[in-house]
Amino acid sequence: KQEVTQIPAALSVPEGENLVLNCSFTDSAIYNLQWFRQDPGKGLTSLLLIQSSQREQTSGRLNASLDKSSGRSTLYIAASQPGDSATYLCAVREGEGAQKLVFGQGTRLTINP
Amino acid sequence: EPEVTQTPSHQVTQMGQEVILRCVPISNHLYFYWYRQILGQKVEFLVSFYNNEISEKSEIFDDQFSVERPDGSNFTLKIRSTKLEDSAMYFCASTAFTPSVVFYEQYFGPGTGLTVT
Repeated sequence: KQEVTQIPAALSVPEGENLVLNCSFTDSAIYNLQWFRQDPGKGLTSLLLIQSSQREQTSGRLNASLDKSSGRSTLYIAASQPGDSATYLCAVREGEGAQKLVFGQGTRLTINP
Repeated sequence: EPEVTQTPSHQVTQMGQEVILRCVPISNHLYFYWYRQILGQKVEFLVSFYNNEISEKSEIFDDQFSVERPDGSNFTLKIRSTKLEDSAMYFCASTAFTPSVVFYEQYFGPGTGLTVT
């Protein structure tokens, strides 16, 4: 059974710092991995999707990497801003079609002005 | 930009009552999902739906739950007899079927917060 773990559970950094969020999964036979942002009491906003055949994806100040063989992904946030404060979730999909996502518990990020 | 919508945004119900949570997936999407998130816990998969039938369901999705696509736009989750432990945020999601592309990115709605008293 696939298990997804995110470390750390919470992170607080000053504005302007670059930071890395970690995600690990137990079964490397994944189809893709998505990073989401969740604001308090809100839904999930997709940030990046990285296919199993890809090593990284970039969107603005965000860069996601994937090392499928070791079961790890990282989300790199450059030049952090207070508006980046949110919970970041990673989720893996194990196949095509109607396959579900399996989520980690998230990292709660606080950027201090 | 197309988005998944859900109604109501929040619902309070008494234990034992039936509730129906509604979702309008993105219009050209063909795969639909319900997930839930109990406060402070992981987002958990409940059920996936394709071609008017359930594709997969989790252990949570027992006989008190049902899903339906009553028309071409709505996707509903019914909980027949609510329990206190059903209190959670319920998220609807959808995915396009794109044989030439991409990767089945899931798009989530804003959620319905269900409180069972």
